[in-house]
Amino acid sequence: AQKITQTQPGMFVQEKEAVTLDCTYDTSDQSYGLFWYKQPSSGEMIFLIYQGSYDEQNATEGRYSLNFQKARKSANLVISASQLGDSAMYFCAMREEFRNKFYFGSGTKLNVKP
Amino acid sequence: ETGVTQSPTHLIKTRGQQVTLRCSSQSGHNTVSWYQQALGQGPQFIFQYYREEENGRGNFPPRFSGLQFPNYSSELNVNALELDDSALYLCASSPGLADGAYEQYFGPGTRLTVT
Repeated sequence: AQKITQTQPGMFVQEKEAVTLDCTYDTSDQSYGLFWYKQPSSGEMIFLIYQGSYDEQNATEGRYSLNFQKARKSANLVISASQLGDSAMYFCAMREEFRNKFYFGSGTKLNVKP
Repeated sequence: ETGVTQSPTHLIKTRGQQVTLRCSSQSGHNTVSWYQQALGQGPQFIFQYYREEENGRGNFPPRFSGLQFPNYSSELNVNALELDDSALYLCASSPGLADGAYEQYFGPGTRLTVT
């Protein structure tokens, strides 16, 4: 089974609107971390947000928030007030802390329309 | 500007050859991870080094090996190159994932082409 599943290969959003990027994960570990990264066309990988498996509150970082639903094993990224510069690939990732292994999803390409 | 640098930027090798990729982490970052990103796919975790010891490994064969040095630099070595090794290789450093610091800073990557 895939450890990280991102079911939206591509998405469009109008500038200034909010958008949700989906991510589900699969692990039997109790202790894990969930990450979202942005990769613009230039190629660098930019850390956006982190959620620990024991964190009860959803993580937020500026316009980014992580909608963490542990029972459903989902960790969706919400971007509020989209900007043209948000156009990029977005990757969901997980770290299984006991084995210290990282897994990335296949990514979602977000296009923000003016 | 993350402070993580990688060299070379691009590299072309022939099948069967060996290659060494280099990464210079931010000062004070004692954890470095290496990833392979094939075109159009997400990164795949190769391994992680913490304080010069391998501290986690993905599903990569032993011909992928690494070193981490006390000066915050590290190497990824790949022996017996195969065509499927063609990819972008990313390194990422952290102040100490093993110590609970979770943010990884990625370098710009090395694009390896195997012909």
